[in-house]
Amino acid sequence: EAAVTQSPRSKVAVTGGKVTLSCHQTNNHDYMYWYRQDTGHGLRLIHYSYVADSTEKGDIPDGYKASRPSQENFSLILELASLSQTAVYFCASSDWGGNYAEQFFGPGTRLTVL
Amino acid sequence: AQSVTQPDARVTVSEGASLQLRCKYSYSATPYLFWYVQYPRQGLQLLLKYYSGDPVVQGVNSFEAEFSKSNSSFHLQKASVHWSDSAVYFCALSPRSNYQLIWGSGTKLIIKP
Repeated sequence: EAAVTQSPRSKVAVTGGKVTLSCHQTNNHDYMYWYRQDTGHGLRLIHYSYVADSTEKGDIPDGYKASRPSQENFSLILELASLSQTAVYFCASSDWGGNYAEQFFGPGTRLTVL
Repeated sequence: AQSVTQPDARVTVSEGASLQLRCKYSYSATPYLFWYVQYPRQGLQLLLKYYSGDPVVQGVNSFEAEFSKSNSSFHLQKASVHWSDSAVYFCALSPRSNYQLIWGSGTKLIIKP
């Protein structure tokens, strides 16, 4: 059973539209993360959360919001999608106390903004 | 500042040959270190990790990595590569003071038949 799932797996959005990417984990982890990956590049942290109802800014939060309504669910919201937000988005979870920050990843969401 | 450098964006090796992917880190103490692999159009999967103790750590699919404090390195190695090893490999560091991962830019491994 996949422990971190993401939906949708791919999405095409229009510039200026609203996009919501969802992530669900069954690892019982406290920490969840949203990353973006651009072609040929590594991962960049957008937002993260260590407890329900609280989110923190990562390294590139501009243009993104996050929501953590429960321990299992973490959403990434693009209120006004822009061309520059075309990328693959990965969700991950970790349990700092038990696994020394090892992160478990979802399969990714490929977002294309036109 | 904490950082991870993977100096080789692409590495090409012949099937059956040995492999070394380089990773250098910058951190004032001994960090937690990880190698992840990303197969085409998939998420990242953990290959191996180093926390402490034996500097040579074994991972999945016969990969291993060696931690060197003196060289601030954590190079990934494999004795004989297979075509299925074609992927992008990421080195990552976690400071022992917090939960975040600091990522290298990745090395794309290409296997020649």
